[in-house]
Amino acid sequence: GAVVSQHPSRVICKSGTSVKIECRSLDFQATTMFWYRQFPKQSLMLMATSNEGSKATYEQGVEKDKFLINHASLTLSTLTVTSAHPEDSSFYICSAAGGWRGELFFGEGSRLTVL
Amino acid sequence: DAKTTQPNSMESNEEEPVHLPCNHSTISGTDYIHWYRQLPSQGPEYVIHGLTSNVNNRMASLAIAEDRKSSTLILHRATLRDAAVYYCILRDGGTDKLIFGTGTRLQVFP
Repeated sequence: GAVVSQHPSRVICKSGTSVKIECRSLDFQATTMFWYRQFPKQSLMLMATSNEGSKATYEQGVEKDKFLINHASLTLSTLTVTSAHPEDSSFYICSAAGGWRGELFFGEGSRLTVL
Repeated sequence: DAKTTQPNSMESNEEEPVHLPCNHSTISGTDYIHWYRQLPSQGPEYVIHGLTSNVNNRMASLAIAEDRKSSTLILHRATLRDAAVYYCILRDGGTDKLIFGTGTRLQVFP
């Protein structure tokens, strides 16, 4: 079946640095991908919708200059957390629609720890 | 986005059926009822979805009330690997966007 893969699965960085997370659709093309953030013991929060070839659409309260999203091809979307701070530490998950039943496929998630 | 209400947690014994309820009294005519589950430290995975009729697949069954204001996800024989957070989500037919609620944490005991 369709697979969405994220890289890296875990990343630790120093405060003030930027971190890039990749999301790939491995055997299907995804014109739209979604980025979520999940804090411990909480539900997933939608951050933004990534559209291939155009600007991402951010949910209310999500800083677009802080979380840069690039969707340059039909199989790759990237999320860059700029000038990361400890409060940005979270589990970041991407998803893409690719199933014949209309389901979304989710990546394995990327755990970011900012020291 | 229409809202769903689920119990925070449920428990089951292995090999017993599990009925996970979901209320969605404000559902609109174009909303599909989707269920996803999330195992610890993993991304969510699709379980099942439906519009009006009950649905069955290899993972579960979905029973939808006649007025569509509630639904029930049925795991016919729970296994330890079914321990997860189960999310009931309403998704408009015209969008791929999923808005997650708090979900139900299912514990399965041997």
